[in-house]
Amino acid sequence: GAVVSQHPSWVICKSGTSVKIECRSLDFQATTMFWYRQFPKQSLMLMATSNEGSKATYEQGVEKDKFLINHASLTLSTLTVTSAHPEDSSFYICSARAAPTNTIYFGEGSWLTVV
Amino acid sequence: AQKVTQAQTEISVVEKEDVTLDCVYETRDTTYYLFWYKQPPSGELVFLIRRNSFDEQNEISGRYSWNFQKSTSSFNFTITASQVVDSAVYFCALSEAPWRNTPLVFGKGTRLSVIA
Repeated sequence: GAVVSQHPSWVICKSGTSVKIECRSLDFQATTMFWYRQFPKQSLMLMATSNEGSKATYEQGVEKDKFLINHASLTLSTLTVTSAHPEDSSFYICSARAAPTNTIYFGEGSWLTVV
Repeated sequence: AQKVTQAQTEISVVEKEDVTLDCVYETRDTTYYLFWYKQPPSGELVFLIRRNSFDEQNEISGRYSWNFQKSTSSFNFTITASQVVDSAVYFCALSEAPWRNTPLVFGKGTRLSVIA
């Protein structure tokens, strides 16, 4: 079946550095990808919607200059957390919408810890 | 605006008990999808079911069953004869008008603990 691969699964970075998380659809084309963030014991909150070849649409309160999203191809979207701070430590998970069925598939998620 | 409410934050049951997780949703669309996901401690989301708004038939899959009631905007999930492996956080989610490329909106989740 369709698979969305997210990498890395775990990452620890120093405060002030940037970290990139990849979301890749392995056997289907993803016209739209979504990035969510989940703090401990909380729900998944949508950060942004990215469409292949165009700029991402960010949810209110999400800093687009801090969370850079690039969806350069139909199979890959990346989220870069720039100048990371400890409060950015969270679980980040992507989902991809497959065309033409519009079925949504989730990646395995990435645990980010900023020290 | 769309909204998903899972009023039960945490539930604890003893193994072999039945448990029902509640989900109430709000949407202005007549066409939408409802979902249930399981999230174990490792974090990944395990897809359990998707139901479209035109299909009100209840569904059973092994020990899992779902009760979709449009009249009350509810999509409840029952686990029969619960097992320790069922311990996880369960999320109900809603997606409106899929062709508009809308994301899933999640409830706050219900943490289920099944005690041996």
